[in-house]
Amino acid sequence: NAGVTQTPKFQVLKTGQSMTLQCAQDMNHEYMSWYRQDPGMGLRLIHYSVGAGITDQGEVPNGYNVSRSTTEDFPLRLLSAAPSQTSVYFCASSGGGSGYGYTFGSGTRLTVV
Amino acid sequence: GQQLNQSPQSMFIQEGEDVSMNCTSSSIFNTWLWYKQDPGEGPVLLIALYKAGELTSNGRLTAQFGITRKDSFLNISASIPSDVGIYFCAGQRNAGNNRKLIWGLGTSLAVNP
Repeated sequence: NAGVTQTPKFQVLKTGQSMTLQCAQDMNHEYMSWYRQDPGMGLRLIHYSVGAGITDQGEVPNGYNVSRSTTEDFPLRLLSAAPSQTSVYFCASSGGGSGYGYTFGSGTRLTVV
Repeated sequence: GQQLNQSPQSMFIQEGEDVSMNCTSSSIFNTWLWYKQDPGEGPVLLIALYKAGELTSNGRLTAQFGITRKDSFLNISASIPSDVGIYFCAGQRNAGNNRKLIWGLGTSLAVNP
């Protein structure tokens, strides 16, 4: 099993550009979430989903959109990139079979210039 | 947003030494999770704890769910160079569909061979 796959691994954007960070999991997990990780601030929840068609905001949702049309995919959209969105982004999923632990992807390192 | 109090912030030890770190909260949690993050990778689940007082081991790692449900401890025995990384604790209040995690800021571990 691939687990949680994130693409791209690295990305540089200009201020104002938009892009989509992809996340896919092959474990049939119903719960998926997006985090950003910044030095000294730990992991902060951006958006999450408890199943296909259901999404909700986390701690820092502004500037990001998500959708969950399938169980497998949970893309994160940056609408108009800003330098403050320079960060490492992690997608994670959780399913009943694994208890309440999350499986994380390897991350997308985004730089906005 | 709320975060757990994780300490120490960093540790530099000699190979073979034992390591202890802990997380505390002013709120009660139903689940405690411990993760390790290697450079350039996403966090990986080490141990999950589901009951107050529970003591669980994973190889040289041992974690405990505090009896008050407001704290958790992680011990690493006989450290080796591959233990280097950042260790995160995470707490969860509710089971079922609400799986949002509250995170500590991490303990950075360096091991001198």
